[in-house]
Amino acid sequence: DTAVSQTPKYLVTQMGNDKSIKCEQNLGHDTMYWYKQDSKKFLKIMFSYNNKELIINETVPNRFSPKSPDKAHLNLHINSLELGDSAVYFCASSQVGTDNEKLFFGSGTQLSVL
Amino acid sequence: AQTVTQSQPEMSVQEAETVTLSCTYDTSENNYYLFWYKQPPSRQMILVIRQEAYKQQNATENRFSVNFQKAAKSFSLKISDSQLGDTAMYFCAFMPKGAQKLVFGQGTRLTINP
Repeated sequence: DTAVSQTPKYLVTQMGNDKSIKCEQNLGHDTMYWYKQDSKKFLKIMFSYNNKELIINETVPNRFSPKSPDKAHLNLHINSLELGDSAVYFCASSQVGTDNEKLFFGSGTQLSVL
Repeated sequence: AQTVTQSQPEMSVQEAETVTLSCTYDTSENNYYLFWYKQPPSRQMILVIRQEAYKQQNATENRFSVNFQKAAKSFSLKISDSQLGDTAMYFCAFMPKGAQKLVFGQGTRLTINP
């Protein structure tokens, strides 16, 4: 059973298009995240949601719109894609406030904008 | 601002040797967690080891152990009896307790040679 699953694994698209990445976790966690890994492998948080509420938005362009229909899902929609959006996007989840707090990551979505 | 610094962009050792990866961090928080994540070529982010700041005892997980120096804000990872499967990017990460945000270092690319 995959704990954090995101789809698709690969996404190739043209500049200007709109695309979505889906994420689901079956761990019962209350917090979900989106991270971006750039071409130099640096990982930076984009958003975090706790029980469907936005907690962190790290100065991400408003072309990126996360949506959390329930606490097990956090999808990422990207409008008007640009070349600089090419990266690997990771979804993650955690249970905040426990003694064993840690993030579990999905396998990543490699987005290539042409 | 909280930052994590990994000063070794790349390291390379022979199989069965011991290798230590360095990590320093900057924070004014007193209660936090530190992590090492491994990212093999498969891209999956795998948790290697976790340390709670209030625990003086260094965490160990089989061949992996840490040297946590809270006053020096240092958190190095030691891999003993290194194996070919240890070849990966290794990321040091920091999270204040309850912060819902994991801050990563730049990563160290580790190669284990046969």
